[in-house]
Amino acid sequence: DGGITQSPKYLFRKEGQNVTLSCEQNLNHDAMYWYRQDPGQGLRLIYYSQIVNDFQKGDIAEGYSVSREKKESFPLTVTSAQKNPTAFYLCASRTARNPTSPLHFGNGTRLTVT
Amino acid sequence: GQQVMQIPQYQHVQEGEDFTTYCNSSTTLSNIQWYKQRPGGHPVFLIQLVKSGEVKKQKRLTFQFGEAKKNSSLHITATQTTDVGTYFCAGRGGNQFYFGTGTSLTVIP
Repeated sequence: DGGITQSPKYLFRKEGQNVTLSCEQNLNHDAMYWYRQDPGQGLRLIYYSQIVNDFQKGDIAEGYSVSREKKESFPLTVTSAQKNPTAFYLCASRTARNPTSPLHFGNGTRLTVT
Repeated sequence: GQQVMQIPQYQHVQEGEDFTTYCNSSTTLSNIQWYKQRPGGHPVFLIQLVKSGEVKKQKRLTFQFGEAKKNSSLHITATQTTDVGTYFCAGRGGNQFYFGTGTSLTVIP
């Protein structure tokens, strides 16, 4: 079955440590996105990538970094510079060939930093 | 940046009652999509509206796109417990999708 896999489902880290969240898709989608979800704030865009080796900052990119070395993979690193990293992180992808194609989401990773 | 607001933030209804959530954008949208997120789950695409004034129906769900393409609504007729979840609108601007703040629906049996 095609889909988006995020791992792990739950992640715990100590403050000051960098942590990388995995996102893999086998849908052959060109575009991939990272969103952060906090209660009452909806989904906020962190980074997105339209093509391999290229990515753009979203509205809340500070304290995060990404890479897009392969079409299937778009890992997100939450750095120690991120002030409030505890959140639910969602990865999504879509085909870029159709400008109106919807987003397909992974199951998310819940990150807790103490 | 572009802002998409949704109201209400929370809605509790008795099973069988109707429910409506409203989405308003600060700018004109090329299209609008609606997603549903079940508790503990991830957003799942429901529908997309593209044309000004467009109305689409999916069984008990009715989606509407405003004439000015700056607002949209989702109406559920006779809610059921399976309708529980958070409903998000998302407007497309360039290569980005701007999500509304979501409306969390609780259905009381």
